Amino acid sequence: AQTVTQSQPEMSVQEAETVTLSCTYDTSESDYYLFWYKQPPSRQMILVIRQEAYKQQNATENRFSVNFQKAAKSFSLKISDSQLGDAAMYFCAYRSAYAGNNRKLIWGLGTSLAVNP
Amino acid sequence: GAVVSQHPSRVICKSGTSVKIECRSLDFQATTMFWYRQFPKQSLMLMATSNEGSKATYEQGVEKDKFLINHASLTLSTLTVTSAHPEDSSFYICSASSLGDQPQHFGDGTRLSIL
Repeated sequence: AQTVTQSQPEMSVQEAETVTLSCTYDTSESDYYLFWYKQPPSRQMILVIRQEAYKQQNATENRFSVNFQKAAKSFSLKISDSQLGDAAMYFCAYRSAYAGNNRKLIWGLGTSLAVNP
Repeated sequence: GAVVSQHPSRVICKSGTSVKIECRSLDFQATTMFWYRQFPKQSLMLMATSNEGSKATYEQGVEKDKFLINHASLTLSTLTVTSAHPEDSSFYICSASSLGDQPQHFGDGTRLSIL
């Protein structure tokens, strides 16, 4: 079975600085998707970025980028120029590409990010 | 695009009441919808997966007679918590996904409080 591990329960960063959140996963599959979701205090789940395992190029979305290391099964999220609105819980998630109609996500436990002014 | 509406956002009711939560995909067809439960400061716990027109698939340990899920159309799924008790108090979130490799998009969640 697949697992997702986020080893940092809490992180903090100064406003305008850069922070990296770590995520590792375990799978025997070769094709899958990886996601980072953000959950602010409002508790809405927001998709931040996603990566297809077959793509070597790291995904980027404005200030958010990932470092995808397939051999190491690592999928870290880098937030550049951190803003106060980035303060939230960040969840890493895995989804098999072979699941057919069962496309459920495997979730990490989350990292709580604080942004200090 | 990819907006999911979940209603109601907050419910407070007495023990023994049944509560229905709706999850709607507003601008896409959701072939699959997911229902989660989230305890404070914890990750999401998948309760069940529903595909339009078929019975929901429940995760181990989730009582299907307690948490009734209906996915009658490509834009609507409902979760009914039957005869709710205080231990059912929690934050419930739905998500929806269309065909292919599309990601899950989430509703804003429902905070359920059973007195």
